[in-house]
Amino acid sequence: DGGITQSPKYLFRKEGQNVTLSCEQNLNHDAMYWYRQDPGQGLRLIYYSQIVNDFQKGDIAEGYSVSREKKESFPLTVTSAQKNPTAFYLCASSIGGRAHNEQFFGPGTRLTVL
Amino acid sequence: AQSVTQLDSQVPVFEEAPVELRCNYSSSVSVYLFWYVQYPNQGLQLLLKYLSGSTLVKGINGFEAEFNKSQTSFHLRKPSVHISDTAEYFCAGGLQGAQKLVFGQGTRLTINP
Repeated sequence: DGGITQSPKYLFRKEGQNVTLSCEQNLNHDAMYWYRQDPGQGLRLIYYSQIVNDFQKGDIAEGYSVSREKKESFPLTVTSAQKNPTAFYLCASSIGGRAHNEQFFGPGTRLTVL
Repeated sequence: AQSVTQLDSQVPVFEEAPVELRCNYSSSVSVYLFWYVQYPNQGLQLLLKYLSGSTLVKGINGFEAEFNKSQTSFHLRKPSVHISDTAEYFCAGGLQGAQKLVFGQGTRLTINP
């Protein structure tokens, strides 16, 4: 089955530690996205990538970093510089990196920083 | 800058009643509009989308939405809801030529028996 996988589903970390969230897709999509979801705030774009080895900052990139070394993978690192990292993180992909392309979402990772 | 506003954070309705979830966008240029549904602790799933053409768009699970350019709205409707429709619904929009979507704040739909 084609789709997007995110792991782990739940993640706990101590304050001050960096943590990397995994996102893999086997849909052969060029574009991938990372969103952060907080209650009552909808989805906010962290980073996006339209092609391998290229990515752009979204609306709330501070304290986060990404890489896109392979087409199918787009890991997100939440660094210790992120002031409020506890949230639900969603990865998505689309066949092209334009607004009219449907985005397909993974199941999400809930990160809790203690 | 483009924005998408969902006017209701929560909407409670009784089972088999009709429902309308409201979405307004701000843009003076062509936009693409989407409705997504999120069940608890899951990712988002596309319900329907408006790219161009007919302003009445039909989606999955009996939902439909109407694009109204004069009122800059894209409200989601279902004539008769079921318990299984309990979820959070997100409206999203993107400008023609843009690389990203803007999401509304979400509307939590609660179905009471």
